[in-house]
Amino acid sequence: DAGITQSPRHKVTETGTPVTLRCHQTENHRYMYWYRQDPGHGLRLIHYSYGVKDTDKGEVSDGYSVSRSKTEDFLLTLESATSSQTSVYFCAISESSFRTEAFFGQGTRLTVV
Amino acid sequence: QKEVEQNSGPLSVPEGAIASLNCTYSDRGSQSFFWYRQYSGKSPELIMSIYSNGDKEDGRFTAQLNKASQYVSLLIRDSQPSDSATYLCADQRGNSGYALNFGKGTSLLVTP
Repeated sequence: DAGITQSPRHKVTETGTPVTLRCHQTENHRYMYWYRQDPGHGLRLIHYSYGVKDTDKGEVSDGYSVSRSKTEDFLLTLESATSSQTSVYFCAISESSFRTEAFFGQGTRLTVV
Repeated sequence: QKEVEQNSGPLSVPEGAIASLNCTYSDRGSQSFFWYRQYSGKSPELIMSIYSNGDKEDGRFTAQLNKASQYVSLLIRDSQPSDSATYLCADQRGNSGYALNFGKGTSLLVTP
């Protein structure tokens, strides 16, 4: 299994509070991604990173920010959590560009109340 | 947004039968395709990738790609109850850090 660890695994937070989810990899892969998964929507890309300090937005980036200060860590921050951000969040990593598979972390179940 | 479409199912097959899962994609420029399996409450795990037209076999799994028809399929031979899961089809985007673009998945139920 690819060495990807997400923390926390479960979190309940209140509306309006900031939340940070962490993805840690031991594979030294260049690309890292944050997805959210919701019933009826499937997996949707939030943000991605193509190197240290190199990040960009995905299709559902509003209300989220990311940072990558080290190759191994990719942080996702919900700046002011809303109930619509209740979801399961997955981190994924990929070694290079085209024709390379992505491997997923265990996921974080976030509930905003 | 370029789409990947899958029938949500559930697709029910008896144990030992062949399960056929289908996927279409709208981006004619897509070159790379992937099948993932996701058990309830778990993360997606890679089954197969396919990049060229034709068939690719790995054990009980066969992926098929037809770029002219923009169609990808996954066949599971000798289906087992442990194959019951949601199967996700994805293509790869060149303009989002090569992120995978997923369909919503097909639920497969293999009955004993």
